[in-house]
Amino acid sequence: KNQVEQSPQSLIILEGKNCTLQCNYTVSPFSNLRWYKQDTGRGPVSLTIMTFSENTKSNGRYTATLDADTKQSSLHITASQLSDSASYICVVSAGIGYGGSQGNLIFGKGTKLSVKP
Amino acid sequence: GAGVSQTPSNKVTEKGKYVELRCDPISGHTALYWYRQSLGQGPEFLIYFQGTGAADDSGLPNDRFFAVRPEGSVSTLKIQRTERGDSAVYLCASSPGTGVYNEQFFGPGTRLTVL
Repeated sequence: KNQVEQSPQSLIILEGKNCTLQCNYTVSPFSNLRWYKQDTGRGPVSLTIMTFSENTKSNGRYTATLDADTKQSSLHITASQLSDSASYICVVSAGIGYGGSQGNLIFGKGTKLSVKP
Repeated sequence: GAGVSQTPSNKVTEKGKYVELRCDPISGHTALYWYRQSLGQGPEFLIYFQGTGAADDSGLPNDRFFAVRPEGSVSTLKIQRTERGDSAVYLCASSPGTGVYNEQFFGPGTRLTVL
């Protein structure tokens, strides 16, 4: 069964600190992996997209890594800010061949991050 | 520029009623997606359109759910004989195409409550 598991479920950190969120997946065939940020009451916003050939991708203070062999990904947030408080969702696309289709996206339940002053 | 918009933002209905949820994608985006998000869960894929046709409707939970996109722009998600378990936030997203790097832009969602 295609699944995406995220940990921790929730996390509280102090402003300015770094943190790392984890994502493990069992999705086949794998097409790409995305990290989204979802503020409360809003739709998700894309942070990074990686295919199996990409090991790391950065977007400002966000850096995502991907190990397609172990089927693990992480999202590292550097120098956290209060505005980083949100849910971070790992999403894996189960495609057909390289590139695949965006239709079959499997979402994790998200990690709820709270950044405190 | 306008993003993805969804109406209504909130919908309260009674069990057994019919509801329609509307999505206005970003102009020019050919792909449109519907998701359902229950409290504390990640979004769950329902259906996606490429143009006017449903390219993948494998996520629709049963035949009470139906979606259309007659002119390749606005889409309507229709739910018949609503049940309490249908209560969730229904998210719509659009993207310029369906390539790997085509980002999906999400709307704010419609919160559906079935009493």
